[in-house]
Amino acid sequence: GDSVTQTEGLVTLTEGLPVMLNCTYQTIYSNPFLFWYVQHLNESPRLLLKSFTDNKRTEHQGFHATLHKSSSSFHLQKSSAQLSDSALYYCALTSGSWQLIFGSGTQLTVMP
Amino acid sequence: GALVYQYPRRTICKSGTSMRMECQAVGFQATSVAWYRQSPQKTFELIALSTVNSAIKYEQNFTQEKFPISHPNLSFSSMTVLNAYLEDRGLYLCGARTGGADAEQFFGPGTRLTVL
Repeated sequence: GDSVTQTEGLVTLTEGLPVMLNCTYQTIYSNPFLFWYVQHLNESPRLLLKSFTDNKRTEHQGFHATLHKSSSSFHLQKSSAQLSDSALYYCALTSGSWQLIFGSGTQLTVMP
Repeated sequence: GALVYQYPRRTICKSGTSMRMECQAVGFQATSVAWYRQSPQKTFELIALSTVNSAIKYEQNFTQEKFPISHPNLSFSSMTVLNAYLEDRGLYLCGARTGGADAEQFFGPGTRLTVL
């Protein structure tokens, strides 16, 4: 079945450094939709980015991601981390059905 | 805007008892509602996916007998945790979507269940 893999459970970096959170997926569906959700402490997850277009960069709130179907990847990036970016980040996939499949999440901690 | 409310926000129940939680979508039609459990050490565990006018689909390790769900209309869903035990502790999140596969899933704030 479909799956999403986030290899890093925990990422810690210093404010101002670039951020890259990995996300790869598996699906037999040729047109998957990929999402990034962010969950701050004591809050519910909310949508950060989404894409279904191959090789097109999607941006929101300083974050960006590009869906690469050739490598089944949808990595989340930001050029300069801020303290307020500390949160749990989830990559998710839907392959045309109602079900969203989430990765295991990456806890990003930004230090001053 | 689209909002999802969940009631109660926190609840405590004795081991072996049951509790019911509710999810309400405001500002959009919740054609599908997914119930998740987020445990302290785990990511989202999908419990079940409910789509209006379709059978509720439960994930492995979760059953209708343990987590009965009602999704009677496009704005409301409820789930009961029957015979709750310690392993049922966690944050129960409701995620509601409308429209097609690219539709955003809106999450409620969750119901935090503590089992004594």
